[in-house]
Amino acid sequence: GAGVSQSPRYKVTKRGQDVTLRCDPISSHATLYWYQQALGQGPEFLTYFNYEAQPDKSGLPSDRFSAERPEGSISTLTIQRTEQRDSAMYRCASSSGTNTEAFFGQGTRLTVV
Amino acid sequence: AQTVTQSQPEMSVQEAETVTLSCTYDTSESDYYLFWYKQPPSRQMILVIRQEAYKQQNATENRFSVNFQKAAKSFSLKISDSQLGDAAMYFCASSNMNTGFQKLVFGTGTRLLVSP
Repeated sequence: GAGVSQSPRYKVTKRGQDVTLRCDPISSHATLYWYQQALGQGPEFLTYFNYEAQPDKSGLPSDRFSAERPEGSISTLTIQRTEQRDSAMYRCASSSGTNTEAFFGQGTRLTVV
Repeated sequence: AQTVTQSQPEMSVQEAETVTLSCTYDTSESDYYLFWYKQPPSRQMILVIRQEAYKQQNATENRFSVNFQKAAKSFSLKISDSQLGDAAMYFCASSNMNTGFQKLVFGTGTRLLVSP
């Protein structure tokens, strides 16, 4: 696609529910990243993929968070048993390689009530 | 571990004037990158400028330039001839060359207000 696309743009969920966020990167971009941005803060690294491989998931805050990119293109971020502290903007970015500019999507704003 | 500090929560500038946004960082790495990102109301994250730490020359991109002081671990952004469209949150970020661009560490941001 022309840019990084994330869906949904907004998501409101009840505490304890599972949510899945989707990222569609720029076509042919090998590397895909997930960041979490709390209100009033800068984005924080969660994990990244190189094609379908996930070399680094050190930023995932707990085992309730998981990400997949099974075919090396679209990625999903799943949060199980959501908690209020999970409320944040979730940003996806992609790049053609690990040392090239990352292009960010517009993010998914998650609110856990 | 890398840290990035932006001590100015908000800055104001008038159109056509110049403004400087401050950023300090800390890293134990010898090779690293530094970035400024712009986040307008549209919620996009747009790369404004980047600097490789091994380069002594300050990066410039049109009206945007940086003052990179490696010894002081300072990386400020200067916006010349400010325009209304420059109003946004600006984030300073760093990453180290071992992990590449992907593991960016961001500061808390500076909100830039531009008045006519």
